Amino acid sequence: IAGITQAPTSQILAAGRRMTLRCTQDMRHNAMYWYRQDLGLGLRLIHYSNTAGTTGKGEVPDGYSVSRANTDDFPLTLASAVPSQTSVYFCASSETTNTGELFFGEGSRLTVL
Amino acid sequence: GQNIDQPTEMTATEGAIVQINCTYQTSGFNGLFWYQQHAGEAPTFLSYNVLDGLEEKGRFSSFLSRSKGYSYLLLKELQMKDSASYLCAVMDSNYQLIWGAGTKLIIKP
Repeated sequence: IAGITQAPTSQILAAGRRMTLRCTQDMRHNAMYWYRQDLGLGLRLIHYSNTAGTTGKGEVPDGYSVSRANTDDFPLTLASAVPSQTSVYFCASSETTNTGELFFGEGSRLTVL
Repeated sequence: GQNIDQPTEMTATEGAIVQINCTYQTSGFNGLFWYQQHAGEAPTFLSYNVLDGLEEKGRFSSFLSRSKGYSYLLLKELQMKDSASYLCAVMDSNYQLIWGAGTKLIIKP
């Protein structure tokens, strides 16, 4: 079934540890995104990629990094996790950056203690 | 700054009609989107408006007034499975999506 796969689904992490959230899509979409979703707040964009080989900063990029080595994969790395990074993280993709119809992964629930 | 406002929570009765409002102030406008998100799940795309007027898709309709910075999502013949959060998002002049915090819709029998 075509779509976006995220891993892990859930993770508890000690503060200061490094963590990579994986995201893979098989729709050959050019654009990919990482959002975090916190209670009472709208989805906030962390980083995005317009196409393979390019990345950009979103609204809340500090403490996070991404790479886009190919079309399908867009991992998000927390270099040194802090409790304020406790959140639900969604990876999403769209055909192009100009398209507002996003396809979301199932989310990764991260708890930093 | 850019801002999307929608009610935090609404309650409606099964079989009835409910209207979820969204007002926005953004730097430019390249479309307004509605998404549905069931608890613990990913958001899924519902509708897209770029011109003024009503777009109908089955039991769901979405309306846009660009001059008023206003949209609503209308859900008819409510079913229990419609209990979810409904997210309003606007694409600004830089083609960035600005998201509202979402409206949690509770359907009662």
